[in-house]
Amino acid sequence: DAGVIQSPRHEVTEMGQEVTLRCKPISGHNSLFWYRQTMMRGLELLIYFNNNVPIDDSGMPEDRFSAKMPNASFSTLKIQPSEPRDSAVYFCASSLTQRYGYTFGSGTRLTVV
Amino acid sequence: DQQVKQNSPSLSVQEGRISILNCDYTNSMFDYFLWYKKYPAEGPTFLISISSIKDKNEDGRFTVFLNKSAKHLSLHIVPSQPGDSAVYFCAASEGDYGQNFVFGPGTRLSVLP
Repeated sequence: DAGVIQSPRHEVTEMGQEVTLRCKPISGHNSLFWYRQTMMRGLELLIYFNNNVPIDDSGMPEDRFSAKMPNASFSTLKIQPSEPRDSAVYFCASSLTQRYGYTFGSGTRLTVV
Repeated sequence: DQQVKQNSPSLSVQEGRISILNCDYTNSMFDYFLWYKKYPAEGPTFLISISSIKDKNEDGRFTVFLNKSAKHLSLHIVPSQPGDSAVYFCAASEGDYGQNFVFGPGTRLSVLP
């Protein structure tokens, strides 16, 4: 299995532009999570899906952030418009229902200038 | 307010000695805990877990101890190796099928040869 696949690995964009981050979870995993890592706040949960349905989006910082999971093999996290304070590493992770922990992707490093 | 705390941002240990990474939590409902290891430019990888029904779990050189009354857990690495140099995250969740793990800010471990 290729693991959790995220794209792009790096994204540099100008303030005000729309940014879309992509994630392909491990086949068979039914939960998907989007995390953001910053120096100040560590790993923060933004949103998670169970069986493609958003369960908890209380971590989404603002209305500028949105996430979708149209099917079991794909999810997107969109920021529109982007701001410099959104600069961070964004991780996607997936898991089975059992609590064996998540498998994380390699992350997308977002820089908004 | 951080529910999971790792008060030491960094730790340096000599190769062959013991590394002890600490984690404190505030939510008494947390009953399942994980440790993750993260290398630069990679996603976190699952290391070891412990349920609140146990106070110790071992896996090779890694042992996690849980003190529920103190709301404290620790990860012991013996003997430490240079390849253990990474950022270590503690994570906690509640409920039998809790999926929403709360992560600590991480501790950067450096194992010196």
